[in-house]
Amino acid sequence: ETGVTQSPTHLIKTRGQQVTLRCSSQSGHNTVSWYQQALGQGPQFIFQYYREEENGRGNFPPRFSGLQFPNYSSELNVNALELDDSALYLCASSFSSGTSGSRETQYFGPGTRLLVL
Amino acid sequence: AQSVTQLGSHVSVSEGALVLLRCNYSSSVPPYLFWYVQYPNQGLQLLLKYTSAATLVKGINGFEAEFKKSETSFHLTKPSAHMSDAAEYFCAVSVSNAGKSTFGDGTTLTVKP
Repeated sequence: ETGVTQSPTHLIKTRGQQVTLRCSSQSGHNTVSWYQQALGQGPQFIFQYYREEENGRGNFPPRFSGLQFPNYSSELNVNALELDDSALYLCASSFSSGTSGSRETQYFGPGTRLLVL
Repeated sequence: AQSVTQLGSHVSVSEGALVLLRCNYSSSVPPYLFWYVQYPNQGLQLLLKYTSAATLVKGINGFEAEFKKSETSFHLTKPSAHMSDAAEYFCAVSVSNAGKSTFGDGTTLTVKP
């Protein structure tokens, strides 16, 4: 148990719809990163939030967006869903002392499996 | 930019045998390196990490890895495999922030009785 929870565990959507995935960080963690893990591949970095501000983004289009709340829970929103968005979405929380970087361990949640039909 | 290559998408060993999972990285600056394990339908768990201290890093469950700058490698080893080690293993690299890691495609470890 890492103390990081995600909801829902599974989700089925149709192409063109919008989806919101939620993550509750480990207590005291001010940083959350989101990853997309397609079947048979490693996780790909989507973006990171530090103290409610986006702190870096991977190679994902703007229809992937996020929010981090004062209690450090967070959301990943995906608009205009495409079939290729079907994947396991992982969030990971950690503590950072600033935006420039941290070697602190990130703790992963169990993920939300999204299927787009 | 950084990248990771995991050599061998599937590795099979007998229980009690040596486990060796290979990882090579590419980075323009000194990297941070990580090994994670993922069991079916679960998230990732950190096994160990290299953050520019000792080059031989010991992790949980008897795993260790050695950072070799000249070979740009960070291979994961365990002297004696256990059935419970069967899982997917991921190597990851970061140059500034552990939360912005680049992952390899993973190696599935099978342990035969």
